[in-house]
Amino acid sequence: GQQLNQSPQSMFIQEGEDVSMNCTSSSIFNTWLWYKQDPGEGPVLLIALYKAGELTSNGRLTAQFGITRKDSFLNISASIPSDVGIYFCAGWNTGTASKLTFGTGTRLQVTL
Amino acid sequence: GAGVSQSPSNKVTEKGKDVELRCDPISGHTALYWYRQSLGQGLEFLIYFQGNSAPDKSGLPSDRFSAERTGGSVSTLTIQRTQQEDSAVYLCASSFVGGLANEQFFGPGTRLTVL
Repeated sequence: GQQLNQSPQSMFIQEGEDVSMNCTSSSIFNTWLWYKQDPGEGPVLLIALYKAGELTSNGRLTAQFGITRKDSFLNISASIPSDVGIYFCAGWNTGTASKLTFGTGTRLQVTL
Repeated sequence: GAGVSQSPSNKVTEKGKDVELRCDPISGHTALYWYRQSLGQGLEFLIYFQGNSAPDKSGLPSDRFSAERTGGSVSTLTIQRTQQEDSAVYLCASSFVGGLANEQFFGPGTRLTVL
């Protein structure tokens, strides 16, 4: 099935550094979601975006809904070891009420 | 409150056997979804239930896969005559339709290994 492209695929950063990742699509979405998945767990919703251009924060996390509605960005400030995991973006449209389209994931590893 | 629960957490089976995976959604959530996640991959949509409507089965990879949702709550995903390529983590999610659009809450998944 269709998947959104996320970049980078993986990243190694040092504790305290800021992190940026993005998600792009060939088609428009009217809702963007960001999830984090820890090993052996299901994805956990971090941030939801509902309007083009919207910028939303959740603690050290900030996400933006691109104005073209074909992309979204997630930033993590001052990373800590527990930020380790896989981050997935997901897009959704009203006309496809049943399913989210997920990104390929960005694996984040934080070194001390 | 309780989140989405899934059982078993791990299942090892032999090729050709049938398996059943169970999902208990969050109480009050009317929508239930099944996804498959292969090693190191994103999530692949399988099937969606919403209330009493006919399920959206468009993501099921073959007719060996089926799912039921009884009483609008618990769901069972059945894989018949399992194949090695069925090995993956099967994730269930639920959401409250009518609330914020499609904020799906996931269970911990069932890791299926077909030998």
